[in-house]
Amino acid sequence: DIQMTQSPSSVSASVGDRVTITCRASQGINNWLAWYQQKPGKAPNLLIYAATTLQSGVPSRFSGSGSGTDFTLTISSLQPEDFATYYCQQANSFPLTFGGGTKVEIK
Amino acid sequence: EAQLLESGGGLLQPGGSLRLSCTASGFSLNNYAMTWVRQAPGKGLEWVSLISGSSIALYYADSVKGRFTISRDNVKNTLYLQMDSLRVEDTAIYYCAGEYYTGNYYHRKSYNGMDVWGQGTTVTVSS
Repeated sequence: DIQMTQSPSSVSASVGDRVTITCRASQGINNWLAWYQQKPGKAPNLLIYAATTLQSGVPSRFSGSGSGTDFTLTISSLQPEDFATYYCQQANSFPLTFGGGTKVEIK
Repeated sequence: EAQLLESGGGLLQPGGSLRLSCTASGFSLNNYAMTWVRQAPGKGLEWVSLISGSSIALYYADSVKGRFTISRDNVKNTLYLQMDSLRVEDTAIYYCAGEYYTGNYYHRKSYNGMDVWGQGTTVTVSS
């Protein structure tokens, strides 16, 4: 199974800050990676797919980079509505696996 | 508006069975690979099972293999998860989610992500 390791597990940041979340795969997954945002009591929401492609309707302050084993989700200027938990997920091979999540909290 | 609506969750004892449903409205599930994802209380997301649009591809997490069965009825625009021999550790919110694709599921050039999700249905297994 491919393990997805996210870091940090939590981050405290202020509105306007740049936030970077990393995701490392235990083996190469090409660009078969997605990022999701989840707010309390809600279903996850797709932000980025194919590692770098912004999902329609998602603000451009979100961006994804990486390929192979190392990936990054960047929020260029944190907004109040961005405080949530973020997950990476690989789809290169089964079983599909999620990272452990990164909680972005208000500083 | 494209929506997925799950139903069938509930409270039951270990060893029991339950069938979850996920019905699409506003779009056709035919070109969606459908997935069940669960989230135990206070925990992260766990992938459970996937079925491709034509049902050719079927996959399960080791934790549910042999106990859960995924299926779909494209005429009814509905996805199912039959859950048997339930355990306390199956307690979670269960979400259905879909990835749009075209052509053969195994010949996709890239991953499109799960862009449609249901609101979740809660399964509680307790004695």
